[in-house]
Amino acid sequence: GAGVSQSPSNKVTEKGKDVELRCDPISGHTALYWYRQSLGQGLEFLIYFQGNSAPDKSGLPSDRFSAERTGGSVSTLTIQRTQQEDSAVYLCASSLYNRGTIYFGEGSWLTVV
Amino acid sequence: AQSVSQHNHHVILSEAASLELGCNYSYGGTVNLFWYVQYPGQHLQLLLKYFSGDPLVKGIKGFEAEFIKSKFSFNLRKPSVQWSDTAEYFCAVISGGNTDKLIFGTGTRLQVFP
Repeated sequence: GAGVSQSPSNKVTEKGKDVELRCDPISGHTALYWYRQSLGQGLEFLIYFQGNSAPDKSGLPSDRFSAERTGGSVSTLTIQRTQQEDSAVYLCASSLYNRGTIYFGEGSWLTVV
Repeated sequence: AQSVSQHNHHVILSEAASLELGCNYSYGGTVNLFWYVQYPGQHLQLLLKYFSGDPLVKGIKGFEAEFIKSKFSFNLRKPSVQWSDTAEYFCAVISGGNTDKLIFGTGTRLQVFP
């Protein structure tokens, strides 16, 4: 596609429910990132996929968070048993190669009530 | 662990004033450096980037940044700001090592008044 596409753009969920956020990177981009942006905060790195290499999961805040990237393209970020502190904008980004320019999607705004 | 520091959290300027936003990083090896901008209600966009070569990098909308290796800095500058520059500005670094993840600073909120 022309840009990084994320869905849903907005999600309201009840505390304790699981949510899945989807990211469709720019076609051909081998690197894919997930970040979290909370109100008034910076961008918190969550996870990084590069080609067929093992993902860098060092930023995932707890074991309730996981992510997959199927076929080297689409990625899904899953948050289990959501908590109110998970409320944030979840940003996906991709780049053509590692260390290349990174392009961001518009984000998925998650609200846990 | 690598880190990025943006010391100016909130900057308020009048139009035509000069701007300099500080960015320092902690990694001592090869780095790729970026400035991103997020206008109100919009997604992050790349302003400029440094990979190698001339340490003075020019980006879009009249912005520039200078990579000073000895100071571990990559400050963003603009000689004369406009009201439309009101946004949040993020410095980011990719360092070497075992991973190429992009690490962001906490951002600087710039407000420009006419």
